[in-house]
Formats: sequence, C-alpha cells, structure tokens
Amino acid sequence: LAKTTQPISMDSYEGQEVNITCSHNNIATNDYITWYQQFPSQGPRFIIQGYKTKVTNEVASLFIPADRKSSTLSLPRVSLSDTAVYYCLLFTLFTSGTYKYIFGTGTRLKVLA
Amino acid sequence: DGGITQSPKYLFRKEGQNVTLSCEQNLNHDAMYWYRQDPGQGLRLIYYSQIVNDFQKGDIAEGYSVSREKKESFPLTVTSAQKNPTAFYLCASSIWWETKDTQYFGPGTRLTVL
Repeated sequence: LAKTTQPISMDSYEGQEVNITCSHNNIATNDYITWYQQFPSQGPRFIIQGYKTKVTNEVASLFIPADRKSSTLSLPRVSLSDTAVYYCLLFTLFTSGTYKYIFGTGTRLKVLA
Repeated sequence: DGGITQSPKYLFRKEGQNVTLSCEQNLNHDAMYWYRQDPGQGLRLIYYSQIVNDFQKGDIAEGYSVSREKKESFPLTVTSAQKNPTAFYLCASSIWWETKDTQYFGPGTRLTVL
C-alpha cells in the first residue's frame, strides 16, 4: 500500500502562518487530496480539498504542484484553537468496487501563545 | 441538521463479548465507512459500503462484521474474535459516485475492553 509522509509535529505562535506538507509520490490520476483536522476524541473535520494548483476557502489554502506528488496545507494566522492533528487523505472508490486510500499519519500542530 | 451520529460515545465490554456500534447519517450519502484509530495513530479502514445490502472488507476487517440494510445505517459489530478491540472507532459517509469522494466523519465511539 502506498504511503504518504507528513511531519510528525510542528509548533507555531499565534498569528503566524503555518504550512504543513504531505508527500504522496504514488498519487494516481483520479486521486483528489483532502485535508482533515482532528481534535482529541473527536471525528476528523473536513478542511479543504483539491486536485491541482491552488484552492482557497474561508479557513485554509491548499497548494498542489504540477506533478501532484505533494500538497501543502496553509493555515493563515493560526490561533490557539487550531491546535490539533492534521491529516492528508487520498481516497479513490472505483466503480468496480475496489478502492484505494492513503491516510497520512498526521501532523500534530501546537499553537503557542 | 444534517450529519452523522454515532452511539454510544463510550462503550465498555468484557473480553469475549460481541458489541455493536451504531452509525446513522441523514446526508443521503450512498457510501459509508468504518475506521479504527489507535492512540497516536492514523485511521485504518475496517469496512465500507457503496450501496444498501452490499459491503466490502477494508484493510483490517478480521474480527469485525457489518450490515447495510438501510441507506442511513451502517452498524459495526466487534466480535470476540477481534484480538485487540480497544480503540476509537469512526464512521464516515460520502457520495461515492463523485471522484472527489469527500468523506464526512461522525464523532466517534471509544471502545474499551475490560
């Protein structure tokens, strides 16, 4: 099973921009890249999804280079409440009934005051 | 409100007993999934279902069973054959026929085997 690679942990200060990168060398043509945020003892929460180039929503941006072998989640001006674990996910459910999923091991972000 | 509910939030069972975890969604999603998460670890897929009355094994299906009799419901049974059942269990759903296939997760059930 192909794997993704994320940094295990990161520290940042309030108000700073945080960039978390996920490497996925074996990404397939049909794969979309999705990022989730998870707080302790809660289900992951969808943050953003993209296929290529740049996607932005009200909470984050996602940068994907042309070769799509990595993706970078960018959180602008983080606050203490952004302290959580962030996962990247590649999942493709094929019409044949087979599937492929790659769930990153997660990056534990700690935001300091 | 639309969403996914899981019950109970905490569950305790004695070794050797089967236990069933509930998962319900009102998002009208076709696909539903069960994941297991161990402390400090990522998520591992147990079972998934694309449509009613059909489901497929994931990476760690041994010791688990599921059913999909209704579109809204996808209960997971942890059987006594599961060697290390203590974990955090997460249910998710998605519109599988879209290539984007964004999964939305429930709040999870923490199972502890005594």
